[in-house]
Amino acid sequence: EAQVTQNPRYLITVTGKKLTVTCSQNMNHEYMSWYRQDPGLGLRQIYYSMNVEVTDKGDVPEGYKVSRKEKRNFPLILESPSPNQTSLYFCASWTGTYEQYFGPGTRLTVT
Amino acid sequence: ELKVEQNPLFLSMQEGKNYTIYCNYSTTSDRLYWYRQDPGKSLESLFVLLSNGAVKQEGRLMASLDTKARLSTLHITAAVHDLSATYFCAVLTYNTDKLIFGTGTRLQVFP
Repeated sequence: EAQVTQNPRYLITVTGKKLTVTCSQNMNHEYMSWYRQDPGLGLRQIYYSMNVEVTDKGDVPEGYKVSRKEKRNFPLILESPSPNQTSLYFCASWTGTYEQYFGPGTRLTVT
Repeated sequence: ELKVEQNPLFLSMQEGKNYTIYCNYSTTSDRLYWYRQDPGKSLESLFVLLSNGAVKQEGRLMASLDTKARLSTLHITAAVHDLSATYFCAVLTYNTDKLIFGTGTRLQVFP
């Protein structure tokens, strides 16, 4: 089954404690993206990757890092999380033309 | 900077009625996507519109794209309760891989 998986699905952490949200896809897609969703703001792109070792900033990259060492994985790293990073995060993958496939989401709370 | 605006932001409609959601964007693009999101769930692709004049239909939903007017519409015919969800349009910025989402239209269909 074609899918995008994210882990963890829920996370409560404290300010400053480094964390990683993993994302993996099994469709051999070149493109992968991370988004955050906040009430009233829709989805905003954090980072995207066009292929292995190729990444670029989206609209809200501050406070986040990503890496793309393998085609199937695209982890999101928060080196020093802050409360304003409390949000719902989605990973997505796609071919670059047709629709994006979204993961189930990770709800992050930073206290 | 590409901006994507959806109207209305909230729509409450009676079963059996017709209505249209509008998606306006501010710069050149020829790729537009519509997604559906149920409460607490991920995003599901509805339509991919890749050229001017493109029209796609699935069940009671029909989407169209006018790249000259920078406008896409999502038309709902004879609404049913199962269509209650939040609908997002998203536009791919020209010559980049950035996907910009509208803020979403929350649709509620009541008997």
